[in-house]
Amino acid sequence: EAGVVQSPRYKIIEKKQPVAFWCNPISGHNTLYWYRQNLGQGPELLIRYENEEAVDDSQLPKDRFSAERLKGVDSTLKIQPAELGDSAVYLCASSQDNNYGYTFGSGTRLTVV
Amino acid sequence: DAKTTQPTSMDCAEGRAANLPCNHSTISGNEYVYWYRQIHSQGPQYIIHGLKNNETNEMASLIITEDRKSSTLILPHATLRDTAVYYCIESSGGSNYKLTFGKGTLLTVNP
Repeated sequence: EAGVVQSPRYKIIEKKQPVAFWCNPISGHNTLYWYRQNLGQGPELLIRYENEEAVDDSQLPKDRFSAERLKGVDSTLKIQPAELGDSAVYLCASSQDNNYGYTFGSGTRLTVV
Repeated sequence: DAKTTQPTSMDCAEGRAANLPCNHSTISGNEYVYWYRQIHSQGPQYIIHGLKNNETNEMASLIITEDRKSSTLILPHATLRDTAVYYCIESSGGSNYKLTFGKGTLLTVNP
């Protein structure tokens, strides 16, 4: 089993530029999550999908962040335009059952300069 | 905000048991206690979860007090590779299942 695959692993961009992160969850996992983790903090949820439907996006800053999960499989998280404060690790996770553990990817470390 | 309380850091000698406490005094009846850990530069890894009864798997044991206000994660024979941040999280599961992470406990296993 490949696990949750995220790309790119690292990204450095200038402020005001757009950036996108990609996530491929574990096959058969219907639920997909995007988290953001700032340095020294625990991850915080940005958005949760059940299949292709975003069921919880209350923490997603919608003025500059967007996400999609077409066909209910892989997902893309976009930031446009990026700000210095967006520098963080962006983690994707998936789960099959609502009571058991998530599987996280290794994350994308974004640096905005 | 995270509703659990954990020590900021702990040390443990290699080969000894690591006992990581967590306080979840406001946990409600349908909420589970989940434990995850995060090794440097990796995503969090699921360890174990429980509702009322003690649980054990190949990674760890989870001891939940009878009043469910606190729990302890036990790594029976800690190794250097167990050095990580350990997160204790309460969540209701089901359709509202989501994990709210706090800052966790940095466990350092020393040789």
